[in-house]
Amino acid sequence: SAVISQKPSRDICQRGTSLTIQCQVDSQVTMMFWYRQQPGQSLTLIATANQGSEATYESGFVIDKFPISRPNLTFSTLTVSNMSPEDSSIYLCSVVTGLHYEQYFGPGTRLTVT
Amino acid sequence: KNQVEQSPQSLIILEGKNCTLQCNYTVSPFSNLRWYKQDTGRGPVSLTIMTFSENTKSNGRYTATLDADTKQSSLHITASQLSDSASYICVVSANFGNEKLTFGTGTRLTIIP
Repeated sequence: SAVISQKPSRDICQRGTSLTIQCQVDSQVTMMFWYRQQPGQSLTLIATANQGSEATYESGFVIDKFPISRPNLTFSTLTVSNMSPEDSSIYLCSVVTGLHYEQYFGPGTRLTVT
Repeated sequence: KNQVEQSPQSLIILEGKNCTLQCNYTVSPFSNLRWYKQDTGRGPVSLTIMTFSENTKSNGRYTATLDADTKQSSLHITASQLSDSASYICVVSANFGNEKLTFGTGTRLTIIP
C-alpha cells in the first residue's frame, strides 16, 4: 500500500495568483499522477508526473498553467498558475503501485479562487 | 470513446437496508474494473478491483460483480451503516501498455438513521 499526504489541505486564493500543492508518498513509487475533481464531477487526469523528466499532460492541460515537479520517487508538486474562479476544484495526487496496479489517492487539496 | 456511466446518480436509504449501485462501461481493451469509496473532503479509497476473469469480489459488506460480456458491474452494499454515506466511483482501466483509467461520475449514497 501507499500512504499519501498533501499540503495544503485547502486554500482560498485570489484571482491571478498561483498556488503550489505538495504531495508526499511514504514509499518510492514510479507512477505518480495529478487529478482535478471539479464540484459534482468525477476525477479528471491532469498529468503524469515523471521523475527526472517533464510531466506528461493530458489533452486540455498545459505546462504553463499546471507546472509539475518530480524531484524524486516520493515527492511531487503541482502549481496552479494565474488562477481564475474556474480553477476552483479539489486537486488530488495519486500513485500506482503493486502487482495489480493498485491506485491510491491523497486526501486532496480543496482550492477556492475568488 | 471510452466511457463509464453510473446509476443512480444519488441514492438515499435507511440504515440497515441493502442497496445496489450500477456501472456500465464502454472501455476497450478492458484491463480491470475498480470501485472506490470517496468520503466528503477525502480522496477515493479502493474497495475492489476485478480483472476480466473475475465475476465477483467481496470486501466485507461490499460485493462487486462484473459481467464482461455485457460490460456491466454492480456494487452491492449489505446492511448499510451511516459510515457508508459517500460517493462510490466506478473506474475502468484500459490497457494500452500503460494503464489508462476512465472514471465514472459516481453515485452519491446517503444513509439515514
